[in-house]
Amino acid sequence: GENVEQHPSTLSVQEGDSAVIKCTYSDSASNYFPWYKQELGKGPQLIIDIRSNVGEKKDQRIAVTLNKTAKHFSLHITETQPEDSAVYFCAAIPSGGTSYGKLTFGQGTILTVHP
Amino acid sequence: DSGVTQTPKHLITATGQRVTLRCSPRSGDLSVYWYQQSLDQGLQFLIQYYNGEERAKGNILERFSAQQFPDLHSELNLSSLELGDSALYFCASSGLQGGTQYFGPGTRLLVL
Repeated sequence: GENVEQHPSTLSVQEGDSAVIKCTYSDSASNYFPWYKQELGKGPQLIIDIRSNVGEKKDQRIAVTLNKTAKHFSLHITETQPEDSAVYFCAAIPSGGTSYGKLTFGQGTILTVHP
Repeated sequence: DSGVTQTPKHLITATGQRVTLRCSPRSGDLSVYWYQQSLDQGLQFLIQYYNGEERAKGNILERFSAQQFPDLHSELNLSSLELGDSALYFCASSGLQGGTQYFGPGTRLLVL
């Protein structure tokens, strides 16, 4: 089955700096890669996603890049703000088979943005 | 607010007991997914239903079962509870199988 590795496990930045979180996946059949933000006491919230036919996607201060050959994808947050502090999860979904629809999550990154 | 609702928000029970967690998907979504989140295992997929039919299964224990009803809401039943079942249980829904999944606020289960 799919295996997703996420780094770093914790990330501390100053307000206004950029933050980068990286993930690698094992199943070459995976074709959908969402990123979720989870605040304390809440459920994961989708912040951006990318499909395998696209190399990069941007939404305001957030961007995601995908390298299918190397099987890795990254989340980039620019001009970080204290409210960006949360746990971020990457995930992957295979395109078919018995695991179709099953999200496999990375271990999570605790991002802290210091004012 | 994702549009996915889960009840109850918190549940405290004893070992050996049985509980039922409920999930209502976003309006129009046919797929419902259940996930377990614990400190040692992270976010783990349990099971998926699409329009009432089971479609995918993860590392779900035999003591756990789920179903999706004709009105598309879903219930996760956990029986013979053990201390290790204490975790957050999330439900997510999507319009299509394999589509973008939106998560509910979760049910925090504590087994004493």
